[in-house]
Amino acid sequence: GESVGLHLPTLSVQEGDNSIINCAYSNSASDYFIWYKQESGKGPQFIIDIRSNMDKRQGQRVTVLLNKTVKHLSLQIAATQPGDSAVYFCAENIDNYGQNFVFGPGTRLSVLP
Amino acid sequence: DVKVTQSSRYLVKRTGEKVFLECVQDMDHENMFWYRQDPGLGLRLIYFSYDVKMKEKGDIPEGYSVSREKKERFSLILESASTNQTSMYLCASTPIGVPSLYGYTFGSGTRLTVV
Repeated sequence: GESVGLHLPTLSVQEGDNSIINCAYSNSASDYFIWYKQESGKGPQFIIDIRSNMDKRQGQRVTVLLNKTVKHLSLQIAATQPGDSAVYFCAENIDNYGQNFVFGPGTRLSVLP
Repeated sequence: DVKVTQSSRYLVKRTGEKVFLECVQDMDHENMFWYRQDPGLGLRLIYFSYDVKMKEKGDIPEGYSVSREKKERFSLILESASTNQTSMYLCASTPIGVPSLYGYTFGSGTRLTVV
């Protein structure tokens, strides 16, 4: 069945460095993906999304890359800041209507001073 | 600011108790969802609803039920709480639409401990 998973459960980076968080998905028919950020004690919040007709999308300090050939998604955070410390997880839209998603287990990003 | 509000942030309940988790959204969204979140397992869908009085089972509905009497409110019910239902519970909503952008709007979560 469909599944979304992350390669690394934890990631520690120095403040100011770039972070890369990875995600593998299994449903080649999925056409919409989202990265969420979940800070301690809060619900997940939308960061950035990408559709399958794109291979790259940029936001403010964040970039999502989509490689459909190997079914891989990554989130790049430039100049990582302490406020970026959180759990990040990807979500794959499985109904192609943007109404049902499968979520990965998450990667905890820790920013070191 | 649009919101999904979960009534309790932390709950401690005894085994066998009937537990109600409440979720209210003010965005007039048609779709509402209940997930549980466990370390290493990610978010798993318990139940969802596309309309008032309508409900559909998700991936792990056993031991749970739901109620949606009003569009803005979606309640999760643990009929007889057990220790394996100790978890973080997340409510989410989306508007109906093809496609729905930005995915879900989530509540802040309810951390339930069953002792």
